[in-house]
Amino acid sequence: GQNIDQPTEMTATEGAIVQINCTYQTSGFNGLFWYQQHAGEAPTFLSYNVLDGLEEKGRFSSFLSRSKGYSYLLLKELQMKDSASYLCAVRNLMGGATNKLIFGTGTLLAVQP
Amino acid sequence: DGGITQSPKYLFRKEGQNVTLSCEQNLNHDAMYWYRQDPGQGLRLIYYSQIVNDFQKGDIAEGYSVSREKKESFPLTVTSAQKNPTAFYLCASSILLLPGQGKEGYTFGSGTRLTVV
Repeated sequence: GQNIDQPTEMTATEGAIVQINCTYQTSGFNGLFWYQQHAGEAPTFLSYNVLDGLEEKGRFSSFLSRSKGYSYLLLKELQMKDSASYLCAVRNLMGGATNKLIFGTGTLLAVQP
Repeated sequence: DGGITQSPKYLFRKEGQNVTLSCEQNLNHDAMYWYRQDPGQGLRLIYYSQIVNDFQKGDIAEGYSVSREKKESFPLTVTSAQKNPTAFYLCASSILLLPGQGKEGYTFGSGTRLTVV
């Protein structure tokens, strides 16, 4: 089966660093995505990992360990506008051309002054 | 500018009625998807389509129907058989990839919030 786990909620302070973890179990792993979603809006793409290691993009970084089925999203220098849900999604190898993503439940991050 | 458009943004349905949610994209994407999101929950896949005139059930297809008569359009009908339709509905589109190709994920529409009254 397929399973993606993330913490439901997290709280952090403005200016601090926060790490949001995601663990997954899936057959045929073919990439992991992180999306940011503000309440009532569409998710927007943050990062993509398919090989082990760290991908850095400005204040956001994402890490992947395929052997452990584990990823994290690291947010530095937190700002109030970073308060949102963060969705972890895994792309599966299904045979042939495809691009189907399986989403976790999301982590609601609250940034406090 | 290319994008994906969902309409309406808010929709109210009386019990027993069917309603259709619109999703249109001009990104020339082959694949389109419908997800449902409930408060505090992630995205659950309703239906997806990888080619015109073909679509597949997702994890929660019961009470929903779709069509894909044109590449650009993938409307979702919420039928009266869907017992708990109040939710936020998201449409997405993507290119199709062979295994190991590219980092392209989904482009999402802005969503339709459906409420049963």
